[in-house]
Amino acid sequence: DGGITQSPKYLFRKEGQNVTLSCEQNLNHDAMYWYRQDPGQGLRLIYYSQIVNDFQKGDIAEGYSVSREKKESFPLTVTSAQKNPTAFYLCASTGGRDNQPQHFGDGTRLSIL
Amino acid sequence: KNQVEQSPQSLIILEGKNCTLQCNYTVSPFSNLRWYKQDTGRGPVSLTIMTFSENTKSNGRYTATLDADTKQSSLHITASQLSDSASYICVVSSYSGGYQKVTFGTGTKLQVIP
Repeated sequence: DGGITQSPKYLFRKEGQNVTLSCEQNLNHDAMYWYRQDPGQGLRLIYYSQIVNDFQKGDIAEGYSVSREKKESFPLTVTSAQKNPTAFYLCASTGGRDNQPQHFGDGTRLSIL
Repeated sequence: KNQVEQSPQSLIILEGKNCTLQCNYTVSPFSNLRWYKQDTGRGPVSLTIMTFSENTKSNGRYTATLDADTKQSSLHITASQLSDSASYICVVSSYSGGYQKVTFGTGTKLQVIP
């Protein structure tokens, strides 16, 4: 079955450490997104990519970085510059041209040690 | 500023009962509105999507309505089941300058009890 796979499910970060969250899709979608979900807040866009080798900052990109070397993969790195990284991170994709996320992965929960 | 507000924040209902969740938005210009269901620890799953010209859309026991004049939407769940326990998120999109801007509500947490 086609879908989005995020790994790991749970991740712990030590202070000063960079960590990378994986997102893989087999839906043949061009556009992929990274969102952050915090309690009591709506999803907020971190980065998005509409095509391979191209990506754009979202509303809260500071302290994060991404790459899009393959259509299927859109990894997110949470750098040490992100001072409040504890959150639920969701990856999404869409095959439509309307730039709206259609399919979501099951998320990675990141916590600070 | 585009905003999407949902009410109530949380809701507890008995299995078999109906319920209605509300979504008010100030997004402009309006493109479409989606309702998502998000189980705890999982990603959101799309339930319905409505454009400006649609005022109702059903997906099984879920029925969404849209009043574009008052900028309100509701999600009605009929004959609730324990598996309906989840957060329900309203998402409104606007299209401006060749780009879709997506605004997420904070969700309504529904608990269905036996």
